Amino acid sequence: AQTVTQSQPEMSVQEAETVTLSCTYDTSESNYYLFWYKQPPSRQMILVIRQEAYKQQNATENRFSVNFQKAAKSFSLKISDSQLGDTAMYFCAFMAAYSGAGSYQLTFGKGTKLSVIP
Amino acid sequence: SQTIHQWPATLVQPVGSPLSLECTVEGTSNPNLYWYRQAAGRGLQLLFYSVGIGQISSEVPQNLSASRPQDRQFILSSKKLLLSDSGFYLCALSGTGVNEQFFGPGTRLTVL
Repeated sequence: AQTVTQSQPEMSVQEAETVTLSCTYDTSESNYYLFWYKQPPSRQMILVIRQEAYKQQNATENRFSVNFQKAAKSFSLKISDSQLGDTAMYFCAFMAAYSGAGSYQLTFGKGTKLSVIP
Repeated sequence: SQTIHQWPATLVQPVGSPLSLECTVEGTSNPNLYWYRQAAGRGLQLLFYSVGIGQISSEVPQNLSASRPQDRQFILSSKKLLLSDSGFYLCALSGTGVNEQFFGPGTRLTVL
């Protein structure tokens, strides 16, 4: 079974600054995907960024980028030029590349509450 | 593009009453569908998933059940609600061969 750990329950950052959210995971799988989801106060879960484990290059999506360290099983999210709209819960999630049942199951961390301060 | 609808948005029910939450999707065919529960201050817990009509897999034994009567409809039910069933219920989908999951707006359930 996979586990995902987010060690920072809450964080804050000044507007326009950069912040990094940590995530570690444990798995015996060799091929998998990692995701960061954002849940704003509306509680709609929004996919922020994804990373394929077989890719060495870190994924980027506009102001969002990841630092994927496969050997260390670490997957941190960096938010540059933080904006007020970035205030949300952020969840790290793991998915094995293959599920024998034919579905794709996500395992989530407990989340980090990020507050962007004006 | 694909859209997920969840009904109702909020629900307050007494202990011991039945439950029916509905999830319908548009813009995709033969999706994998998922029910998650998010308790206060916690992450998401996968409850059920379905790879097709009538096919339901349960991840957590509990007093909840799920059904998929149509390709784009996923229903979460209970015969008798418990206080511990309170939470935020999210429906999600992934396309066949696609590993990303997209989430609906959720249903907030309060059991009193």
